[in-house]
Formats: sequence, C-alpha cells, structure tokens
Amino acid sequence: QSALTQPPSASGSPGQSVTISCTGTSSDIGGTYNYVSWYQHHPGKAPKLMIYEVRKRPSGVPDRFSGSKYGNTASLTVSGLQAEDEADYYCSSYAGSNKVFGTGTKVTVL
Amino acid sequence: QVLLQESGPGLVEPSGTLSLTCAVSGGSISSSNWWSWVRQPPGKGLEWIGEIYHDGPSNYNPSLKSRVTMSVDKSKNQFSLKLNSVTAADTAVYYCARVGSTAFDLWGRGTLVTVSS
Repeated sequence: QSALTQPPSASGSPGQSVTISCTGTSSDIGGTYNYVSWYQHHPGKAPKLMIYEVRKRPSGVPDRFSGSKYGNTASLTVSGLQAEDEADYYCSSYAGSNKVFGTGTKVTVL
Repeated sequence: QVLLQESGPGLVEPSGTLSLTCAVSGGSISSSNWWSWVRQPPGKGLEWIGEIYHDGPSNYNPSLKSRVTMSVDKSKNQFSLKLNSVTAADTAVYYCARVGSTAFDLWGRGTLVTVSS
C-alpha cells in the first residue's frame, strides 16, 4: 500500500485558481468505489474535510473548492484563491478494506 | 457537536509501547461510524494507521499491522491505540478521527508522541 502521489507544492495569486493532482492505482483511486476525499491542514490544527466521494462538499465548505477524477488520478481545484487557503492539502482514497493518503501538497498564496 | 480528544504519554522509550486514547464527547461511539487513527511524522505527510468499529471489527495499515492493536471502551465512550516495539520512526503527531460514511469527517487536534530514551 503506497502513498498516493501529489506534487509537493502549488501556488497562485489571490483570485486565481490552483489545481492539485493525486495519482494512485486501479487498487485505490481507480477502483470500484469513488471514495476519494481531500483535506485542508493548517499546521498545528486538525485537518479539515473539504471534498468527499470525489466531488461532494460538506456543509460549510465554500463552492470555490471542487473535485474531480479521471482514471487513477483525482484533482482538487481551488478557485478564487484567498489568503486563508494557504495550507497543506492531502488526498485520500479507499484501497480495499484499507485507506491511503497522498503525499501532500503545500499551497502558497502569493 | 461531537468532539474528539486524544490523550496519552508524550514520551515513549524505544522498544516500548505507545498507548493513546481518544475520548468522544457530544455523541456516542456506538453510532454507525468507524473510528480511526492517523499520524504525521515531523515534516512528513499523513499516514493512516487503522480503524475500528464499536462492536469490534478493525482494519489496520498492512505496514503496521504486526504492531498495532485498537480497542473500544463503550462505557467510557472512547477508543484506544496501542503500538508496540516503537522506534524513533514512530515519533509523530497522532490524530484520532471519525470516519463518516466515506471520509474522515471529524478530527481531534492531535497529540505529539516522541520516541526517545
């Protein structure tokens, strides 16, 4: 069970969009279930669920956050970047009876 | 509002056993949720350790399975993690989390555990 692959960093200016990829295999992201989720993590705080089941947003998460998936790769797009979006982002997927996280992406708002 | 709070020793000696508890408040541990542990070593990403259901079934990360035990105490509304034969590589912030239908929808604030003599 290997970690899902994410780019180490991504950046954008306020108001711009940034997209983060998350690449796995047919045993996790590309598997039968669309159980990909995304988490925002500010250092020192608890991670926060931003997207679940590939593209669904929990109550209270702005619609600036959106998710998608194609094959073995999932993506998170943050539109209209704001200063408070600067954080680490992690994807996660079911992998059979287990779960696996991505390597994490640090998003910087320039 | 359901809250999760981790507790346990912040320092564990090498080859010893790491023991943590996650108290669930504002809700019942017997609800239809799995309860999970996730850790983050310093400067690294999140790693799923495993999960447990209130009536016993559990799933563990294959890479840690031989050293991990999770349990539930319904009377105290809490669940626990034991990781034995620890080394410096087990130094991390440990989070407990609730698994909603298909994602980790609620997290504790985490507790740092350092493995050192």
